[in-house]
Amino acid sequence: QQQVKQSPQSLIVQKGGISIINCAYENTAFDYFPWYQQFPGKGPALLIAIRPDVSEKKEGRFTISFNKSAKQFSLHIMDSQPGDSATYFCAARTLNTGFQKLVFGTGTRLLVSP
Amino acid sequence: DTGVSQDPRHKITKRGQNVTFRCDPISEHNRLYWYRQTLGQGPEFLTYFQNEAQLEKSRLLSDRFSAERPKGSFSTLEIQRTEQGDSAMYLCASSQPRAGGTDTQYFGPGTRLTVL
Repeated sequence: QQQVKQSPQSLIVQKGGISIINCAYENTAFDYFPWYQQFPGKGPALLIAIRPDVSEKKEGRFTISFNKSAKQFSLHIMDSQPGDSATYFCAARTLNTGFQKLVFGTGTRLLVSP
Repeated sequence: DTGVSQDPRHKITKRGQNVTFRCDPISEHNRLYWYRQTLGQGPEFLTYFQNEAQLEKSRLLSDRFSAERPKGSFSTLEIQRTEQGDSAMYLCASSQPRAGGTDTQYFGPGTRLTVL
């Protein structure tokens, strides 16, 4: 059962453009939403994360927007660079319940063209 | 850089054989996780250890799968009687508990298993 839906599956953006990846979740018990970046041959690496008590979090060129009522969150990559070309995964988990598993989306393959 | 390491990086085996993978977490991390990632999909949780105790297991972890973390340091994941459907990337991650539970899971490079 897929609990986190991610779109689009792939994305091509011109250098300098804005990349936007969207995720939606079903389980209202989720209260921690990280984004991971994965390069070929590497494991996923944490990029940025948000808790639902805020609607936006920004770190450098990366911003998470969070809409609790819609159960949706998105990653925005400003001034996209060729080095950002990777697969991006949204994820979700519940905090403070003793359950540590991350539930991942299906991934978005981003290609930033020079 | 003493990140999470996994061995081997690649394993090709024949259907019905047993395989074992090893994960060495970041040294001060007492939480260790195993995930499985198939092509075009996100990682799927398999199991979680806090120190040597296995605290969570996914229903994906059939009785052919067993994971151990005997001394609370490295961990092994064994698959018995492998099937072609077991072909995937097996990822290990580790974390250190943080206040509020927002500990970051650091992933290793994975072991890619191909079952012929």
